[in-house]
Order: sequence, then structure tokens, then C-alpha cells
Amino acid sequence: NAGVTQTPKFQVLKTGQSMTLQCAQDMNHEYMSWYRQDPGMGLRLIHYSVGAGITDQGEVPNGYNVSRSTTEDFPLRLLSAAPSQTSVYFCASSYLGLRFYGYTFGSGTRLTVV
Amino acid sequence: GQQLNQSPQSMFIQEGEDVSMNCTSSSIFNTWLWYKQDPGEGPVLLIALYKAGELTSNGRLTAQFGITRKDSFLNISASIPSDVGIYFCAGRFKTSYDKVIFGPGTSLSVIP
Repeated sequence: NAGVTQTPKFQVLKTGQSMTLQCAQDMNHEYMSWYRQDPGMGLRLIHYSVGAGITDQGEVPNGYNVSRSTTEDFPLRLLSAAPSQTSVYFCASSYLGLRFYGYTFGSGTRLTVV
Repeated sequence: GQQLNQSPQSMFIQEGEDVSMNCTSSSIFNTWLWYKQDPGEGPVLLIALYKAGELTSNGRLTAQFGITRKDSFLNISASIPSDVGIYFCAGRFKTSYDKVIFGPGTSLSVIP
């Protein structure tokens, strides 16, 4: 009954470092996505995927990279961290179909870039 | 780009009071969703609405899909301390699985 699992929960990076945020879901959801949450700005879509091998950009993709080699995993890579990427990152997944039942979110990764 | 407006931005209420919040958009959606986020956690779905005029309840929560399809409302009756959190609305466009827009959230504080 894990749902969407994100690791790590907290991370501090120095400017210019790279890292990967992990996301895994065990619900066999086709759709997976990454959001960032900043105060007063709601949730903004970074990248999304509708199945293994298929990814696309969201609203704020610059500085981030994704791949999806399996249905279960959707890692988010920060190529060269910048202070502007300090945020809380959420992974979300859902079924694809005629009726949308909403996303299931992970518990988030709080990233600080110094 | 598309935007959702949520009001109020924050609320401080006494335990036992009823709460109303709303979400408006310049765009037409075919699905409205309401989420709650507890501190340090991800958003959790409360209610999903699929048809203009639809009124749906989940315990003490009631949400409505506006007739114009450009707005939605969430009411919480007889608030309790565990209602504290941030409430997000979200709208989804028809046939576009990637186009789910989230509002900026309403922060709710309940005074015991």
C-alpha cells in the first residue's frame, strides 16, 4: 500500500551540483509527473510522462531532465543546481482514461540550493 | 498562461464554524478537483467534480462545480482542528491529460 514514494525527503545542494530525485509508484499508473511548489504559486508542472519511454515538458522544464524506462519509476535530474531551484518537489501519478480520478502525490522532497 | 484564482488566500476561524472558499478561472474546465495538503505532506484528493452544477459531499465537505464551468466552491461544515492545512483547487481541460492547473491555495487555520 505504498502509493507514490519519493526520496530523499530533504536535500541541500551547492550551486552547480547535480542530483537525482527519485519517484516510484506501485499502482501501475500510466501517467507520472513532477511538480514544484513555491509559496503563493501553487503547483507548477515540470515534466510528465504518459508511459515508459515517453516524456514531455511542462510549464517550467528548464534545468531539469527526466526519463522513464519503467512504468514504476520516474526520476527527476537537476543538471546544475541553482538557488532558483530551491523548492519543494512533488511527484504525482494517475491512470489515463476517459474519466480523470485525480493525481496521487508523493510526500515531497524539500530541496535547498545554497 | 492559464490561471486559477482562489479566495480567500488565508482564513482563521473558530472551531465549529463553517468555512467557504472558492476558485475561479477564465477558462472552462471539464473536471474540478479539491485537494488538501497537510504540513510536510503531499496534497490528498478530497473531492472530484465532473459535471456543471454537480454538488458532491465527502463527510463534512461539500463541493460544487459551477454552472459556467469556470468556477468551483468548497464548503467545510463544523470545522475541527484537523481541518488545518492548505486547500488547493485544480481544473482539468477536456481530453488533455497534461493540462491540470492548480490554484495557489487557501491556508486554513482553526482556533480551538
